[in-house]
Amino acid sequence: DVQLVESGGGLVQPGGSLRLSCAASGFTFSSYNMNWVRQAPGKGLEWVSLIFSSGSNIYYADSVKGRFSISRDNARNSLSLQMNSLRAEDTAVYYCAASSRATGDAFAMWGQGTAVTVSS
Amino acid sequence: DIRLTQSPSFLSASVGARVTITCRASQGISNYLAWYQQKPGKAPKLLIYTASTLQSGVPSRFSGSGSGTEFTLTISSLQPEDFTTYYCQHFHSYPITFGQGTRLEIK
Repeated sequence: DVQLVESGGGLVQPGGSLRLSCAASGFTFSSYNMNWVRQAPGKGLEWVSLIFSSGSNIYYADSVKGRFSISRDNARNSLSLQMNSLRAEDTAVYYCAASSRATGDAFAMWGQGTAVTVSS
Repeated sequence: DIRLTQSPSFLSASVGARVTITCRASQGISNYLAWYQQKPGKAPKLLIYTASTLQSGVPSRFSGSGSGTEFTLTISSLQPEDFTTYYCQHFHSYPITFGQGTRLEIK
């Protein structure tokens, strides 16, 4: 079965750091672009970052640029998001999602999400 | 950045009804648009990609259309499990953005 499993969420103080991970199984991870999407409590979806299948291209939302860093390890079928200088407005459930040209770059596979709370 | 505006934001309808949700882009995005369904506490689920292609496994009562700046998601005959929230998303350029969501409620 296709699975994306996020981990690493938790409570962190403003200005702190957190590293999220996403473990993939059941599909050819190295063939898919990978994304992070977040959802603040009671709010809509916000795309955070994208890394191409080979790692050659990386993009960020303006709201996280310079603070967050996405990376992947195709040998270990894993995706990471390093989050630094965290702010209260970064509080959200963070989802990893896989996309490919086969579905027009739409996000066909999603994890269950991991919750991040930034508070003192 | 390309802004996506969904209308309506809230929609009340009955089981069996036909409903349409609109997504308008602030500039032309060809057919680089997808629709998602999200149930409370769950991850979004892909329904439609490239504006009108039904994702595998999604019931045929869901359909999408449009190109350029105006897109629609239609549910032809609402089922009880369809009453939840829907989002559009574009892939034309970066940053990728989502619409604000449409919450579909039972009348």
